[in-house]
Amino acid sequence: GAGVSQSPRYKVTKRGQDVTLRCDPISSHATLYWYQQALGQGPEFLTYFNYEAQPDKSGLPSDRFSAERPEGSISTLTIQRTEQRDSAMYRCASSLGTGELFFGEGSRLTVL
Amino acid sequence: SQQGEEDPQALSIQEGENATMNCSYKTSINNLQWYRQNSGRGLVHLILIRSNEREKHSGRLRVTLDTSKKSSSLLITASRAADTASYFCATEVGGGGNKLTFGTGTQLKVEL
Repeated sequence: GAGVSQSPRYKVTKRGQDVTLRCDPISSHATLYWYQQALGQGPEFLTYFNYEAQPDKSGLPSDRFSAERPEGSISTLTIQRTEQRDSAMYRCASSLGTGELFFGEGSRLTVL
Repeated sequence: SQQGEEDPQALSIQEGENATMNCSYKTSINNLQWYRQNSGRGLVHLILIRSNEREKHSGRLRVTLDTSKKSSSLLITASRAADTASYFCATEVGGGGNKLTFGTGTQLKVEL
Protein backbone atom coordinates (compact mmCIF):
# COMPACT_ATOMS: atom_id res chain seq x y z
CA GLY A 1 0.00 0.00 0.00
CA ALA A 2 0.91 3.65 -0.11
CA GLY A 3 1.60 3.84 3.61
CA VAL A 4 1.65 1.69 6.73
CA SER A 5 -1.88 0.78 7.74
CA GLN A 6 -2.89 -0.37 11.21
CA SER A 7 -6.17 -1.72 12.50
CA PRO A 8 -8.11 -1.28 14.60
CA ARG A 9 -7.31 2.37 15.34
CA TYR A 10 -8.99 2.03 18.73
CA LYS A 11 -9.65 -1.05 20.82
CA VAL A 12 -11.31 -1.18 24.21
CA THR A 13 -11.29 -4.53 25.94
CA LYS A 14 -11.83 -6.02 29.34
CA ARG A 15 -9.01 -7.33 31.46
CA GLY A 16 -8.34 -10.97 30.70
CA GLN A 17 -9.46 -10.85 27.06
CA ASP A 18 -7.13 -11.53 24.15
CA VAL A 19 -6.48 -8.81 21.58
CA THR A 20 -4.97 -8.95 18.09
CA LEU A 21 -3.66 -5.88 16.31
CA ARG A 22 -2.85 -5.84 12.62
CA CYS A 23 -0.26 -4.05 10.54
CA ASP A 24 -0.08 -3.81 6.75
CA PRO A 25 3.34 -2.36 5.85
CA ILE A 26 4.48 -0.57 2.72
CA SER A 27 4.55 -3.33 0.13
CA SER A 28 8.22 -3.06 -0.87
CA HIS A 29 9.50 -3.00 2.72
CA ALA A 30 11.19 -6.13 4.02
CA THR A 31 11.52 -5.01 7.62
CA LEU A 32 8.62 -4.47 10.00
CA TYR A 33 8.73 -3.22 13.59
CA TRP A 34 6.34 -3.12 16.51
CA TYR A 35 6.66 -0.42 19.17
CA GLN A 36 4.67 0.36 22.30
CA GLN A 37 4.17 4.00 23.24
CA ALA A 38 2.83 5.10 26.62
CA LEU A 39 1.26 8.52 26.94
CA GLY A 40 3.88 11.24 27.07
CA GLN A 41 6.74 8.86 26.29
CA GLY A 42 8.72 7.86 23.25
CA PRO A 43 8.02 4.57 21.47
CA GLU A 44 9.65 1.49 22.99
CA PHE A 45 10.82 -1.38 20.78
CA LEU A 46 8.92 -4.65 21.04
CA THR A 47 10.05 -6.81 18.12
CA TYR A 48 10.94 -6.77 14.45
CA PHE A 49 10.68 -8.96 11.37
CA ASN A 50 12.84 -9.32 8.32
CA TYR A 51 10.33 -10.77 5.87
CA GLU A 52 8.86 -13.65 7.91
CA ALA A 53 11.86 -14.13 10.17
CA GLN A 54 11.74 -12.61 13.64
CA PRO A 55 15.36 -12.05 14.63
CA ASP A 56 14.69 -9.98 17.73
CA LYS A 57 11.79 -10.11 20.14
CA SER A 58 13.74 -8.86 23.11
CA GLY A 59 11.34 -5.99 23.78
CA LEU A 60 8.21 -8.09 24.27
CA PRO A 61 7.31 -7.47 27.92
CA SER A 62 6.06 -10.96 28.71
CA ASP A 63 5.11 -14.26 27.13
CA ARG A 64 1.56 -12.91 26.83
CA PHE A 65 2.80 -10.89 23.88
CA SER A 66 3.48 -12.52 20.52
CA ALA A 67 3.82 -11.37 16.94
CA GLU A 68 3.64 -13.07 13.56
CA ARG A 69 4.37 -12.25 9.96
CA PRO A 70 3.76 -15.60 8.29
CA GLU A 71 4.00 -14.54 4.64
CA GLY A 72 6.44 -11.71 5.06
CA SER A 73 3.91 -8.94 4.57
CA ILE A 74 1.01 -8.36 7.01
CA SER A 75 1.86 -8.76 10.68
CA THR A 76 -0.23 -9.27 13.79
CA LEU A 77 0.56 -8.52 17.41
CA THR A 78 -1.42 -10.58 19.90
CA ILE A 79 -1.73 -9.86 23.60
CA GLN A 80 -3.23 -12.68 25.60
CA ARG A 81 -4.99 -12.24 28.93
CA THR A 82 -4.75 -8.46 28.73
CA GLU A 83 -3.92 -6.45 31.83
CA GLN A 84 -4.55 -2.76 32.53
CA ARG A 85 -0.82 -2.03 32.23
CA ASP A 86 -1.02 -3.15 28.57
CA SER A 87 -3.02 0.00 27.78
CA ALA A 88 -0.92 2.00 25.32
CA MET A 89 -0.55 3.02 21.70
CA TYR A 90 0.90 0.19 19.62
CA ARG A 91 2.80 1.43 16.61
CA CYS A 92 3.92 -0.49 13.57
CA ALA A 93 6.64 0.74 11.24
CA SER A 94 8.27 -0.61 8.11
CA SER A 95 11.59 0.05 6.45
CA LEU A 96 13.53 -0.58 3.26
CA GLY A 97 16.66 -1.08 5.34
CA THR A 98 18.04 2.40 4.75
CA GLY A 99 17.54 3.38 8.38
CA GLU A 100 14.41 5.50 8.02
CA LEU A 101 11.25 4.04 9.54
CA PHE A 102 7.77 4.71 8.18
CA PHE A 103 5.15 4.58 10.90
CA GLY A 104 1.45 3.84 10.81
CA GLU A 105 -1.12 5.84 12.74
CA GLY A 106 -1.09 3.31 15.57
CA SER A 107 -3.64 1.24 17.45
CA ARG A 108 -4.73 2.66 20.79
CA LEU A 109 -5.51 -0.13 23.25
CA THR A 110 -7.46 0.51 26.42
CA VAL A 111 -7.85 -2.33 28.90
CA LEU A 112 -10.60 -1.81 31.43
CA SER B 1 14.26 1.50 28.17
CA GLN B 2 14.82 4.88 26.58
CA GLN B 3 18.30 5.47 25.26
CA GLY B 4 17.94 9.19 24.67
CA GLU B 5 16.77 12.10 26.67
CA GLU B 6 15.52 15.24 25.05
CA ASP B 7 15.93 18.65 26.54
CA PRO B 8 13.85 20.69 27.12
CA GLN B 9 10.78 18.55 27.79
CA ALA B 10 8.59 21.38 26.55
CA LEU B 11 9.29 24.54 24.58
CA SER B 12 6.99 27.42 23.69
CA ILE B 13 8.05 30.05 21.14
CA GLN B 14 6.55 32.67 18.86
CA GLU B 15 6.14 32.12 15.15
CA GLY B 16 9.23 33.19 13.28
CA GLU B 17 11.61 32.36 16.14
CA ASN B 18 14.10 29.51 16.05
CA ALA B 19 13.60 26.38 18.14
CA THR B 20 16.46 24.28 19.45
CA MET B 21 16.04 20.83 20.96
CA ASN B 22 18.81 18.68 22.38
CA CYS B 23 19.21 14.94 22.69
CA SER B 24 21.68 13.02 24.80
CA TYR B 25 22.26 9.30 24.50
CA LYS B 26 24.25 6.66 26.31
CA THR B 27 25.98 4.22 23.95
CA SER B 28 27.88 4.37 20.66
CA ILE B 29 25.61 4.67 17.67
CA ASN B 30 25.49 3.99 13.93
CA ASN B 31 23.16 6.90 13.29
CA LEU B 32 20.77 9.26 15.01
CA GLN B 33 17.40 10.29 13.62
CA TRP B 34 14.79 12.89 14.46
CA TYR B 35 11.06 12.25 14.17
CA ARG B 36 8.04 14.53 14.53
CA GLN B 37 4.73 13.44 16.01
CA ASN B 38 1.68 15.61 15.61
CA SER B 39 -0.96 15.16 18.29
CA GLY B 40 -2.60 11.78 17.98
CA ARG B 41 -0.84 10.94 14.72
CA GLY B 42 2.00 8.68 13.63
CA LEU B 43 5.68 9.57 13.74
CA VAL B 44 7.23 11.15 10.67
CA HIS B 45 10.91 10.88 9.86
CA LEU B 46 12.66 14.26 9.59
CA ILE B 47 16.37 13.67 9.20
CA LEU B 48 19.09 11.05 9.70
CA ILE B 49 22.70 11.83 10.62
CA ARG B 50 25.38 9.15 10.58
CA SER B 51 27.99 8.73 13.29
CA ASN B 52 30.74 10.03 10.99
CA GLU B 53 28.80 13.21 10.18
CA ARG B 54 28.81 16.36 12.29
CA GLU B 55 26.11 18.48 10.72
CA LYS B 56 23.24 18.03 8.29
CA HIS B 57 20.62 20.35 6.81
CA SER B 58 17.19 19.72 5.37
CA GLY B 59 15.08 22.76 4.52
CA ARG B 60 14.54 24.68 7.77
CA LEU B 61 16.08 21.88 9.83
CA ARG B 62 19.68 21.72 10.99
CA VAL B 63 20.98 18.77 12.96
CA THR B 64 24.34 18.50 14.68
CA LEU B 65 25.96 15.44 16.19
CA ASP B 66 28.79 15.35 18.73
CA THR B 67 29.73 11.73 19.30
CA SER B 68 32.36 12.66 21.90
CA LYS B 69 29.62 14.18 24.05
CA LYS B 70 26.98 11.68 22.91
CA SER B 71 24.63 14.49 22.04
CA SER B 72 22.70 15.93 19.13
CA SER B 73 20.70 19.07 18.55
CA LEU B 74 17.83 19.86 16.21
CA LEU B 75 17.36 23.47 15.13
CA ILE B 76 14.16 24.56 13.41
CA THR B 77 14.57 28.00 11.90
CA ALA B 78 11.77 30.50 11.25
CA SER B 79 9.24 28.34 13.05
CA ARG B 80 5.61 28.16 11.99
CA ALA B 81 2.45 27.24 13.87
CA ALA B 82 2.39 24.01 11.85
CA ASP B 83 5.68 23.00 13.51
CA THR B 84 3.77 22.49 16.77
CA ALA B 85 4.38 18.82 17.59
CA SER B 86 6.45 16.46 19.71
CA TYR B 87 9.96 15.82 18.48
CA PHE B 88 11.85 12.62 19.26
CA CYS B 89 15.43 11.65 18.71
CA ALA B 90 16.13 8.00 17.98
CA THR B 91 19.40 6.13 17.90
CA GLU B 92 20.44 3.06 15.95
CA VAL B 93 23.14 1.16 17.76
CA GLY B 94 23.71 -1.73 15.37
CA GLY B 95 23.25 -5.40 16.07
CA GLY B 96 21.01 -5.92 13.09
CA GLY B 97 17.61 -4.82 11.92
CA ASN B 98 18.19 -1.05 12.06
CA LYS B 99 16.08 -1.00 15.19
CA LEU B 100 15.74 2.38 16.84
CA THR B 101 15.68 3.41 20.48
CA PHE B 102 13.68 6.57 21.03
CA GLY B 103 14.11 9.36 23.52
CA THR B 104 11.48 10.90 25.72
CA GLY B 105 10.58 13.74 23.36
CA THR B 106 10.33 17.51 23.35
CA GLN B 107 6.89 19.12 23.06
CA LEU B 108 7.17 22.20 20.89
CA LYS B 109 4.42 24.79 20.77
CA VAL B 110 4.67 27.58 18.22
CA GLU B 111 2.29 30.43 18.93
CA LEU B 112 0.98 32.97 16.46
